[in-house]
Amino acid sequence: AQTVTQSQPEMSVQEAETVTLSCTYDTSESNYYLFWYKQPPSRQMILVIRQEAYKQQNATENRFSVNFQKAAKSFSLKISDSQLGDTAMYFCAFTKGDAGKSTFGDGTTLTVKP
Amino acid sequence: GAGVSQTPSNKVTEKGKYVELRCDPISGHTALYWYRQSLGQGPEFLIYFQGTGAADDSGLPNDRFFAVRPEGSVSTLKIQRTERGDSAVYLCASSPGTPGGREQFFGPGTRLTVL
Repeated sequence: AQTVTQSQPEMSVQEAETVTLSCTYDTSESNYYLFWYKQPPSRQMILVIRQEAYKQQNATENRFSVNFQKAAKSFSLKISDSQLGDTAMYFCAFTKGDAGKSTFGDGTTLTVKP
Repeated sequence: GAGVSQTPSNKVTEKGKYVELRCDPISGHTALYWYRQSLGQGPEFLIYFQGTGAADDSGLPNDRFFAVRPEGSVSTLKIQRTERGDSAVYLCASSPGTPGGREQFFGPGTRLTVL
């Protein structure tokens, strides 16, 4: 079974600064996908960024980028130029290549301060 | 276009009662997922449908939980003889086509409270 660990329950950052959220996972699979989802206080979860395990290049989406270290089974999320709207709970998730279900970490609550 | 919708948004029931939670996925999405999210935790997988059939129900905690998707669109999660431990937010998600690491589009959830 896969496990996903987010070791930072809460984090805060000043507006316009950079913050990194940590995620580690444990799996014996070789084909899998990793995700960061954002869940604002209104509760509806949305995708932030996605990484295929077979790709060495780190995914980027505007101000969001990941540091994917496959050997270390680490998948951190970097948010640059933090904005007040980035305040949310962030979940790291793992999906086996041919499976439907995702395994989620317990989340990191990020607060962006003005 | 419309996103994933879930009804009701809140449900309060008494211990031992039966409840049904409904999910309307994004039109055309063949995959549908149910998750349960307890306070302070990440979503926990319950069941996954591909079309009308349950492709993976390994997350259902016991036989009090059952889900259907008879026409491959709307899904209903059914909980019999509810217990206080069933209190949580039940999330539904959908995605297009077969899995393979596709993004899941989540609904707003149903908050179930069992008194």
